[in-house]
Amino acid sequence: GAVVSQHPSRVICKSGTSVKIECRSLDFQATTMFWYRQFPKQSLMLMATSNEGSKATYEQGVEKDKFLINHASLTLSTLTVTSAHPEDSSFYICSASRATPYEQYFGPGTRLTVT
Amino acid sequence: DQQVKQNSPSLSVQEGRISILNCDYTNSMFDYFLWYKKYPAEGPTFLISISSIKDKNEDGRFTVFLNKSAKHLSLHIVPSQPGDSAVYFCAASAGSNYQLIWGAGTKLIIKP
Repeated sequence: GAVVSQHPSRVICKSGTSVKIECRSLDFQATTMFWYRQFPKQSLMLMATSNEGSKATYEQGVEKDKFLINHASLTLSTLTVTSAHPEDSSFYICSASRATPYEQYFGPGTRLTVT
Repeated sequence: DQQVKQNSPSLSVQEGRISILNCDYTNSMFDYFLWYKKYPAEGPTFLISISSIKDKNEDGRFTVFLNKSAKHLSLHIVPSQPGDSAVYFCAASAGSNYQLIWGAGTKLIIKP
């Protein structure tokens, strides 16, 4: 159990366009979902935390107007990168957590390339 | 300020031997620690965790040891297998906050 999917796995978009990434918990209800970004050879950087039905909490330095997060249900969260630029190119990973235990279950990640 | 540190960026171990991955932390409020394994271009996979009330947790080939006084934890993999080659991340959380504080990761290479 505890499977998290992400869609799409890879996306290439032009500069200035918006891209939506979906994160789904397939076999459990996720009270909390997290969005991470990973730069090459670096650790995961938490971007934001979202609870179902409420506004996401963004980490310092993450632009909330640029990275729109919607957590519409206990099994779905979306991250929309608005007006994407080449520097937004990265590997975006979501995770989902149940009430217990504390472990987060990660999606397979989405490789975003902005040209 | 790095609250969770993995000071070895990489580690090379012979197949069949023991792999020991280390992690240090500075925040005494951390009460739950986790190890994740990550292959390139994939999301991390949860391996094993330990609560601060314990000093050891074992699951198959994986054992995590926690030394609270030293603020140090380690992951032991024995015997090491080729499929264990990956980047291993140590993470910590405090209280009921699910947010994880991550180490920088250690790349484990298992040599045949």
